[in-house]
Amino acid sequence: DVKVTQSSRYLVKRTGEKVFLECVQDMDHENMFWYRQDPGLGLRLIYFSYDVKMKEKGDIPEGYSVSREKKERFSLILESASTNQTSMYLCASIFSRTSTDTQYFGPGTRLTVL
Amino acid sequence: GNSVTQMEGPVTLSEEAFLTINCTYTATGYPSLFWYVQYPGEGLQLLLKATKADDKGSNKGFEATYRKETTSFHLEKGSVQVSDSAVYFCALLRGSNYKLTFGKGTLLTVNP
Repeated sequence: DVKVTQSSRYLVKRTGEKVFLECVQDMDHENMFWYRQDPGLGLRLIYFSYDVKMKEKGDIPEGYSVSREKKERFSLILESASTNQTSMYLCASIFSRTSTDTQYFGPGTRLTVL
Repeated sequence: GNSVTQMEGPVTLSEEAFLTINCTYTATGYPSLFWYVQYPGEGLQLLLKATKADDKGSNKGFEATYRKETTSFHLEKGSVQVSDSAVYFCALLRGSNYKLTFGKGTLLTVNP
């Protein structure tokens, strides 16, 4: 069965802290994505990666960076967390860049920045 | 650019009522269209999809038909259940970089 896991379901951090959100998929997928979900705004793409060490900015990359050192793992980094980064973060993966197949989502990490 | 507009919620129905959630899109060419569902406390799951005009996606009693002429992909179910309470997202895929464009989501609450 397809599986995308995220390191934490809930996370509370303080303003200015460096935050790491980890995502792991066990399907040998090439492409991985980080979204944030906010009420009334839907899902917005932060960054995506179509191969190891490759990354591209999504629609709202400011304040975030990513790392993909291994195919199965895609990390989202908040260099200096701010209160406006309080949100639900969702990771997703898919096999092929040009496939019309499904994006598989993790359960999400609800991050609160105090 | 690409965009998806879906009806704003929340939508509240009684069990066994008919459900329609409207979704229209703007995109060049022929995008693939998706409905995702998010149950409380969970991530998104694919509910159904359609990859070309006049295709009908269906799953768990839900249906949606890809209408090129009206650029729509409305979600329907004939008889909703309490367990269908969730947030529903319409999305499209167009282009070679596999970025999905999502609507803002519609919260559905079904009361017994």
